[in-house]
Amino acid sequence: EPEVTQTPSHQVTQMGQEVILRCVPISNHLYFYWYRQILGQKVEFLVSFYNNEISEKSEIFDDQFSVERPDGSNFTLKIRSTKLEDSAMYFCASSLSLGNEQFFGPGTRLTVL
Amino acid sequence: KNEVEQSPQNLTAQEGEFITINCSYSVGISALHWLQQHPGGGIVSLFMLSSGKKKHGRLIATINIQEKHSSLHITASHPRDSAVYICAARLNNNDMRFGAGTRLTVKP
Repeated sequence: EPEVTQTPSHQVTQMGQEVILRCVPISNHLYFYWYRQILGQKVEFLVSFYNNEISEKSEIFDDQFSVERPDGSNFTLKIRSTKLEDSAMYFCASSLSLGNEQFFGPGTRLTVL
Repeated sequence: KNEVEQSPQNLTAQEGEFITINCSYSVGISALHWLQQHPGGGIVSLFMLSSGKKKHGRLIATINIQEKHSSLHITASHPRDSAVYICAARLNNNDMRFGAGTRLTVKP
C-alpha cells in the first residue's frame, strides 16, 4: 500500500541553523501539506501546496518557513533560522485532490537546542 | 475561543464498551476529519465527511451540519483502540483547525 514517507525521523539542530525536512508524498497525489505538533499540544496547520505553489498558509508560516517541490517526488519544508519554539513534530500529508482524505507521514521530530 | 472543541478530553473504557467522542466546531467547513494518533505519534486518517454518516469496521462517524457537531463511535472497543482521537475541521479556504484530541484508554 502506498504511503507518505518523511526523513529524517529525528533532527537535532542548534538555534539559528537552517533545517530542511523532507517528505515523499504518495506518487499520484496532487495536494501536499505540512503540519506541526508541539509536544503536548494540538496539531496545527502550516501550509498547503498545489500545482507548485502555496495554496493556503497559516499565521505560523512566516518568512522563516518555505516549501518546495524540487523534483517530481520530494516535498520539503525549510526553516531558515530555527528558534527554540520550532521544536515540534512536523507531519507531511498528501491527498489526491482537495476533497479527498489526507494521508499522513510518520513525522519528523525536530529538536532545536 | 477554540474553533474546534472535543469532549471528553480523556476517556477510559472497559473492553467491549461502546465509545462516543464528540466534536463541535464554530467555523464554516468544507469537510470534517477524524484522525487517530498512536502513542508513537503517527497519525492515521479514519474518516473524512461532509454530511451524514460513514462506517468502517467498528468505527462510525456522523456529522450534523446544521448543529455543527460530529461524533465518532467505536463499537465493541478493544485495547488496541487505545489512542488519541482528533477531530479536524477543514475550512472553506483549505486551512485545517484541529481539536485538542481525546485520549482513549481501553482496558482489557
